[in-house]
Amino acid sequence: SAVISQKPSRDICQRGTSLTIQCQVDSQVTMMFWYRQQPGQSLTLIATANQGSEATYESGFVIDKFPISRPNLTFSTLTVSNMSPEDSSIYLCSVGELQDTQYFGPGTRLTVL
Amino acid sequence: GQQVMQIPQYQHVQEGEDFTTYCNSSTTLSNIQWYKQRPGGHPVFLIQLVKSGEVKKQKRLTFQFGEAKKNSSLHITATQTTDVGTYFCAGRGGSNYKLTFGKGTLLTVNP
Repeated sequence: SAVISQKPSRDICQRGTSLTIQCQVDSQVTMMFWYRQQPGQSLTLIATANQGSEATYESGFVIDKFPISRPNLTFSTLTVSNMSPEDSSIYLCSVGELQDTQYFGPGTRLTVL
Repeated sequence: GQQVMQIPQYQHVQEGEDFTTYCNSSTTLSNIQWYKQRPGGHPVFLIQLVKSGEVKKQKRLTFQFGEAKKNSSLHITATQTTDVGTYFCAGRGGSNYKLTFGKGTLLTVNP
């Protein structure tokens, strides 16, 4: 299985600011995903990060709020823009191949004050 | 869209008792995955089921995929305190590469 790292592991941010989360994988992967997990809740897919093109966003998530980059097959970033307390969540990077297993990174625990 | 229901939401057991969580999909799945998330941790992959009627075992854990590929279960025999955590199922429909997660079952074990 792939080894996935995320930075930062946690952060406390002020309302109105932005935070960029990095996801690094130790091998090339086809699919990279970003999920949000609100406290005590299940995982919700934000978007699929596409290498060399714009990310594919799920219903309820927009590029202006969650811009995503994927410059190559091992790295992606998610920015949470103009944050509010409602954005306090765990943000998880996940990788996998098309119909195969998905593996999750350790997550970024975000608190917005 | 595809929905995956998971029950129960919570389960508290005495150490040594068995535990089962169930998942039901609104549509036929191409495969289903199970994850365990310890408190404060991230989801860790347990297993993927692909074939109709498939049964897989990992030590005290038994995973089943229904004949119609619309439901699945995870059974833990003789729970231990190390089994504590939230167990999620996640299903894939048809040719869709995306996973739809159930709400999870939080298992607590009394020593």
